Amino acid sequence: GESVGLHLPTLSVQEGDNSIINCAYSNSASDYFIWYKQESGKGPQFIIDIRSNMDKRQGQRVTVLLNKTVKHLSLQIAATQPGDSAVYFCAENMNNYGQNFVFGPGTRLSVLP
Amino acid sequence: DTGVSQNPRHKITKRGQNVTFRCDPISEHNRLYWYRQTLGQGPEFLTYFQNEAQLEKSRLLSDRFSAERPKGSFSTLEIQRTEQGDSAMYLCASSRTGTASQETQYFGPGTRLLVL
Repeated sequence: GESVGLHLPTLSVQEGDNSIINCAYSNSASDYFIWYKQESGKGPQFIIDIRSNMDKRQGQRVTVLLNKTVKHLSLQIAATQPGDSAVYFCAENMNNYGQNFVFGPGTRLSVLP
Repeated sequence: DTGVSQNPRHKITKRGQNVTFRCDPISEHNRLYWYRQTLGQGPEFLTYFQNEAQLEKSRLLSDRFSAERPKGSFSTLEIQRTEQGDSAMYLCASSRTGTASQETQYFGPGTRLLVL
């Protein structure tokens, strides 16, 4: 399939290690955030979300951390697997600003065997 | 597979031609969104519908672009007089109005457009 994100920042991790993907969001008024995973030739796939009244949320093998003070979001993936290889985007939304999500530039995660 | 489908998956056209893409959202979702994504970038919002009403349009949506959702189910995105700069992946997403003020958007596989 075609490549998603030819010149993106890349994070390479060994299979089984933990991964941390970071995102600096743009709008201090944003109050809802989503992490998406995108594989080549596919649309973005929802991973996990968090609202601004929380600073941490956990899912299956994934944790999202939100630091509103510095407008920073991170995605932690535990025990990274080859199937986790993809481009990861954070998306932000500001309440009362409609349903427009603003996506970050993306990070490519490569899992090494 | 999120349940959002898009057709065609790929479209190659010559500059100046018109193209139309279709999106079928998840059946119980009343909101539908169109995004555009170029290589190396995240998706950029174009427009969104709640049922059949088009409620938001980005300034990226030039007058050559038009979107419809006539019966509140599937949607079409038409680009008239295509230009090479229109080459991109066109993504559709849908969501369901819930108790939260913002809802998770689920994306389709996209339509890749190449304008020669």
